[in-house]
Amino acid sequence: AQSVTQLGSHVSVSEGALVLLRCNYSSSVPPYLFWYVQYPNQGLQLLLKYTSAATLVKGINGFEAEFKKSETSFHLTKPSAHMSDAAEYFCAVSESDSWGKLQFGAGTQVVVTP
Amino acid sequence: GAVVSQHPSWVICKSGTSVKIECRSLDFQATTMFWYRQFPKQSLMLMATSNEGSKATYEQGVEKDKFLINHASLTLSTLTVTSAHPEDSSFYICSARDSRGRSTDTQYFGPGTRLTVL
Repeated sequence: AQSVTQLGSHVSVSEGALVLLRCNYSSSVPPYLFWYVQYPNQGLQLLLKYTSAATLVKGINGFEAEFKKSETSFHLTKPSAHMSDAAEYFCAVSESDSWGKLQFGAGTQVVVTP
Repeated sequence: GAVVSQHPSWVICKSGTSVKIECRSLDFQATTMFWYRQFPKQSLMLMATSNEGSKATYEQGVEKDKFLINHASLTLSTLTVTSAHPEDSSFYICSARDSRGRSTDTQYFGPGTRLTVL
């Protein structure tokens, strides 16, 4: 069975500061891992994904995430927060290569302060 | 990028009535669509996988007779909540996979439908 844990339901970060969102997973087989962002009243948008290639994955909007098997983690980072980064972020895991049946974390609400 | 729409964006209905939610892929064909449910402050939970031209596959614990899914074309899947009750009030989100090979490894999500049952 697969599962995802996101540490921290709310994160507040100053504009220009580092954004760090934590995600730990549990999977019985090598996982495929995703980060999605959801802006108010909008659908989920894929930020980046890990597909067993490079462990450091670069995504859109300056975000990146590193897959660490030993720590079963896939933390999301961005060096410098922008006001437009305020949104809900979801980590998700899939155990198949069909890209279906995503198991989502509870989500982390990011607030960016001036 | 690929766009998925949902209609309606919100709906309020009386207990005991049925509500239909549409999920459309606007600029691509979707062999597979997924339906999720999201409670306030909670994660998205997969309800069912909808494949065009075949019966939907429901996740454990999801009542197939209560949540009817139809995927009659490559661009449209519908979710009907039958005999809705207040506990069915939730945010329903669909997603679709592009089946043309351009981006077969990405799910595109709709904006969601807020259902409130009085």
